[in-house]
Amino acid sequence: GESVGLHLPTLSVQEGDNSIINCAYSNSASDYFIWYKQESGKGPQFIIDIRSNMDKRQGQRVTVLLNKTVKHLSLQIAATQPGDSAVYFCAEKENTDKLIFGTGTRLQVFP
Amino acid sequence: KAGVTQTPRYLIKTRGQQVTLSCSPISGHRSVSWYQQTPGQGLQFLFEYFSETQRNKGNFPGRFSGRQFSNSRSEMNVSTLELGDSALYLCATTGRWPDGNTGELFFGEGSRLTVL
Repeated sequence: GESVGLHLPTLSVQEGDNSIINCAYSNSASDYFIWYKQESGKGPQFIIDIRSNMDKRQGQRVTVLLNKTVKHLSLQIAATQPGDSAVYFCAEKENTDKLIFGTGTRLQVFP
Repeated sequence: KAGVTQTPRYLIKTRGQQVTLSCSPISGHRSVSWYQQTPGQGLQFLFEYFSETQRNKGNFPGRFSGRQFSNSRSEMNVSTLELGDSALYLCATTGRWPDGNTGELFFGEGSRLTVL
């Protein structure tokens, strides 16, 4: 089962390189941001989150950067692996469980 | 512990019919949200339920409805199906802490609806 559309922006990286996926969010009042990974036929999987009182948060091989001034969010994946190939979505939330998702970026990792 | 379970995984309906989809949350999770995912519109919020009450609703017509039971299981219903309702319907659940903040949203695998 495909998970996303036909015209997603695509980022192609070589295995072992670092990947940077960008996202512009819409609501300046959003206070919580999340990155999700969606593989074909599966539901979105949580990667990392960040609250608006932070500008950087690191996980295992992943880093999220938040620039509230320009309403920009980025996900950095270090040493990208074939298993990282998927569609990545950013999402923003304001005080409720309603998530507003970005359009997604397809990450393709080639050997 | 078991993840979010959605049933059925795949179904095919014809225009005009109605469909009911089910979501069983992770044990202890009381908040259930539903999302529609299509190639054209991406992931869009449908509604959110907590303690059997709808707390938030997205911009979908009244043909889309839902409910939550006392055991936190949720169902969503789409009546008078249209071709454009073909989509992956995702359920997401979260625990809600005493201070009102919610934790991470966990998604199910989705129910793939095809309307012919």
